[in-house]
Amino acid sequence: DAKTTQPTSMDCAEGRAANLPCNHSTISGNEYVYWYRQIHSQGPQYIIHGLKNNETNEMASLIITEDRKSSTLILPHATLRDTAVYYCIVRVASNAGGTSYGKLTFGQGTILTVHP
Amino acid sequence: GAVVSQHPSWVICKSGTSVKIECRSLDFQATTMFWYRQFPKQSLMLMATSNEGSKATYEQGVEKDKFLINHASLTLSTLTVTSAHPEDSSFYICSARRGKTGSVYGYTFGSGTRLTVV
Repeated sequence: DAKTTQPTSMDCAEGRAANLPCNHSTISGNEYVYWYRQIHSQGPQYIIHGLKNNETNEMASLIITEDRKSSTLILPHATLRDTAVYYCIVRVASNAGGTSYGKLTFGQGTILTVHP
Repeated sequence: GAVVSQHPSWVICKSGTSVKIECRSLDFQATTMFWYRQFPKQSLMLMATSNEGSKATYEQGVEKDKFLINHASLTLSTLTVTSAHPEDSSFYICSARRGKTGSVYGYTFGSGTRLTVV
């Protein structure tokens, strides 16, 4: 799976948009970009994923550059509860080929702190 | 949907004893489960991958005789830390992946188990 690079930490004011970047310059054509977050002392929570088109769900938006070498996770209106470690992971889709059961490899992630 | 229950949420045990952690997929069948370990201020480190009915595949450096994994059914996997020592104190997290007919984001994580060995 392609390696990702994320800033160690970021701050965001409550109510503002939080934009978390991720570099994945060695991504392959069949690899998706996944975002998870981990609130302190809890298991990771799925946020969003995408292949090449921008994606949006009730939690966030994912913007992937045209060359797919980087992406940005956007939390449109950050709240204090969004304070967490955000992980950008690149890998083949979990149901690719039907027999793929590849593992998720976590990097260091970005510590996002949302302050009042 | 897609809920993974992990139990216990925390446990304190004496050095030399064994501890069993359970991971259950409540509303789906998990053909594959993953076990992670997380030390303070560090990221999740994959320990092993288990498929229902077969032996677990351990990551390099993880002692298979110390961390026993059983995945006897499609909804239950257990991790047993044998002869625990203080250096095994950590946050253990399981993840369950749905079968091949599941959604593309079919990794669901448990809430984790805080193990403290005294």
